[in-house]
Amino acid sequence: NAGVTQTPKFQVLKTGQSMTLQCAQDMNHNSMYWYRQDPGMGLRLIYYSASEGTTDKGEVPNGYNVSRLNKREFSLRLESAAPSQTSVYFCASIMGQGGAYEQYFGPGTRLTVT
Amino acid sequence: RKEVEQDPGPFNVPEGATVAFNCTYSNSASQSFFWYRQDCRKEPKLLMSVYSSGNEDGRFTAQLNRASQYISLLIRDSKLSDSATYLCAVNTNAGKSTFGDGTTLTVKP
Repeated sequence: NAGVTQTPKFQVLKTGQSMTLQCAQDMNHNSMYWYRQDPGMGLRLIYYSASEGTTDKGEVPNGYNVSRLNKREFSLRLESAAPSQTSVYFCASIMGQGGAYEQYFGPGTRLTVT
Repeated sequence: RKEVEQDPGPFNVPEGATVAFNCTYSNSASQSFFWYRQDCRKEPKLLMSVYSSGNEDGRFTAQLNRASQYISLLIRDSKLSDSATYLCAVNTNAGKSTFGDGTTLTVKP
């Protein structure tokens, strides 16, 4: 039982390049989330998916797209990377729907855009 | 105004001290409340859920005050290993979570 896994762990992109961050969970959780965390700051929600087939914008969705491929996988795509997207990206999942349960986080992807 | 606000800290305390963190939230429809611990360059991990009746886990006590819209975390008899950043999180019943910016605690010998 690996929990929440993310790939890659580290990535360096040049401005304008695109990439997809992968996230998978093996806990049969319904809801999945993507956050970014900038130095000295908390987690800001980019997108979330309350259930397979649905996605919703969070606090900072601009410049990102997501795909809930199936119940296990939730990917985050940067179409044209910008230096402002340099951050640590965390994926998380939560049991059930609604907000009654805690989140389980992946180890993060550290992205630098030059 | 941010939806969830925390004491910015940092808190520097000696071993054995008692320290308290507060967190306020603005969305009165918030359903569930949590404290997470985050070690440097690691992912957040659940420390405690927070209930209206309050809950205690060893040296840690969490309280919720719905009327005043704040939650608190009390750490007694601080250990060196308690040094970390503590994040409060507030969930709506739509499943959306909002986190505070975190409070950094350093426990010194």
